[in-house]
Amino acid sequence: EAQVTQNPRYLITVTGKKLTVTCSQNMNHEYMSWYRQDPGLGLRQIYYSMNVEVTDKGDVPEGYKVSRKEKRNFPLILESPSPNQTSLYFCASSRSGTAKDRYEQYFGPGTRLTVT
Amino acid sequence: GENVEQHPSTLSVQEGDSAVIKCTYSDSASNYFPWYKQELGKGPQLIIDIRSNVGEKKDQRIAVTLNKTAKHFSLHITETQPEDSAVYFCAAITSGTYKYIFGTGTRLKVLA
Repeated sequence: EAQVTQNPRYLITVTGKKLTVTCSQNMNHEYMSWYRQDPGLGLRQIYYSMNVEVTDKGDVPEGYKVSRKEKRNFPLILESPSPNQTSLYFCASSRSGTAKDRYEQYFGPGTRLTVT
Repeated sequence: GENVEQHPSTLSVQEGDSAVIKCTYSDSASNYFPWYKQELGKGPQLIIDIRSNVGEKKDQRIAVTLNKTAKHFSLHITETQPEDSAVYFCAAITSGTYKYIFGTGTRLKVLA
C-alpha cells in the first residue's frame, strides 16, 4: 500500500530533550516536506526537500533540523524542544514530473508532540 | 511575507445546500492553488486544484474558481452530504519552488 508513515504518532517529552520524528514514504517520491498544524494557524511549512541532500527552509524553520540522506526518509529533529513546539506535525511527499505531480502531496497520519 | 487568508473559519450548512469557502493570496507569483480536506484524526488529502491559467475547474460536486486579478480563489461544494463534514484548507504555491502557503482552514459541518 502506497503510504507515508510517521513515528511516533504521539510523544510527550520535556524541555531540552532531543528528539527525532521519523518520516518514510514507499512511493519513490522526490519531494518531501514537514508541517506543523496549530489551532487558528492552519498548516505551516517547516522544511522541505526536493531531492536527496537538498533541503530548504519553509515558513517556520527555527528550532528544527532535517536531513535527507535517502530518498524514502526525511526525519525531523528537535535538538532542544521547547513548549512552543507543542503541536501536531505532518510529513508529506510528492513525485516529480508535471506541476500537478509535484504539488499533489500525500500526507502522513500526523505526530502529536507535547513538550512540557 | 506571503500569506493566504481563508474565510470563514467555521461553516454550518444543511444537508443538500451549497457551501462556499474563500481564499485570498498575497504573492502575485503564485500560480498553483490546491484544496485539501482533512478528516478527524487524519492527514490532509488533496481534493481539487487549479492553475493560474484556468478560471474554473469542476469535479462532480466540487468546483474551484480563480480570479487572478483580485487574487481570490474559492471552493464550491454543491448538494452537501454529511461525509463532506471536515476541515478544508486552501493553499498557494509559486512555480519553481516547493514553498506551500496554507490558509488557516475552514471547519465545515453538514447538518442532517
